[in-house]
Amino acid sequence: EVVMTQSPATLSVSPGERATLSCRASQSVNINLAWYQQKPGQAPRLLIFGASTRATGIPARFSGSGSATEFTLTISSLQSEDFAVYSCHQYNYWPPTFGQGTKVEIK
Amino acid sequence: QITLKESGPTLVKPTQTLTLTCTFSGFSLSTNGVSVGWIRQPPGKALEWLALIYWDDEKRFSPSLESRLTITKDTYKNQVVLTMSNMDPVDTATYYCAHNVGIALRPGYWGQGTRVTVSS
Repeated sequence: EVVMTQSPATLSVSPGERATLSCRASQSVNINLAWYQQKPGQAPRLLIFGASTRATGIPARFSGSGSATEFTLTISSLQSEDFAVYSCHQYNYWPPTFGQGTKVEIK
Repeated sequence: QITLKESGPTLVKPTQTLTLTCTFSGFSLSTNGVSVGWIRQPPGKALEWLALIYWDDEKRFSPSLESRLTITKDTYKNQVVLTMSNMDPVDTATYYCAHNVGIALRPGYWGQGTRVTVSS
């Protein structure tokens, strides 16, 4: 099973600032990597798939990059609605696996 | 508009079997390439895939849980049913069903989730 490790566990950011989240896979997952946003009491929301493709309706301030084992999610200018938990998800192998999440909180 | 909704008991006792139903609309599970998966999230922990059923009735299970899981679909009722046997308190979690299209498993539509507590 592929282990996904995210860092940092918590990121404190002021509104309007840039946030950079990292995700590392225990083995290469090519670009079969997605990012999800989750708010308390809500289901995950797909943001990015294919490492860098925004899902339908996702604002351009969200961008993804990386391949193989190293991936990054960047939120260029944090809005109030962006404070949430972000999880990376590899789907190159069965079973697909998620990282433990990075909580983006208001500084 | 695609929607999914999970239903089932909120509390089960240890050793019991959990049965969860995912009722969906806006798509057909007989359409080529469509699948529905079950994913759970224990409190404060990471999401975890459990099982997946495809339009052609192919099924996949998490290797660590395979012996305890079954998944079935009813195309006419637009439902997918997951059963998990021998429940344990560590199985306490929010259980989600999710819709996917194609071989790339990155669901874009999820149910709201149903919280299941395992306790005597």
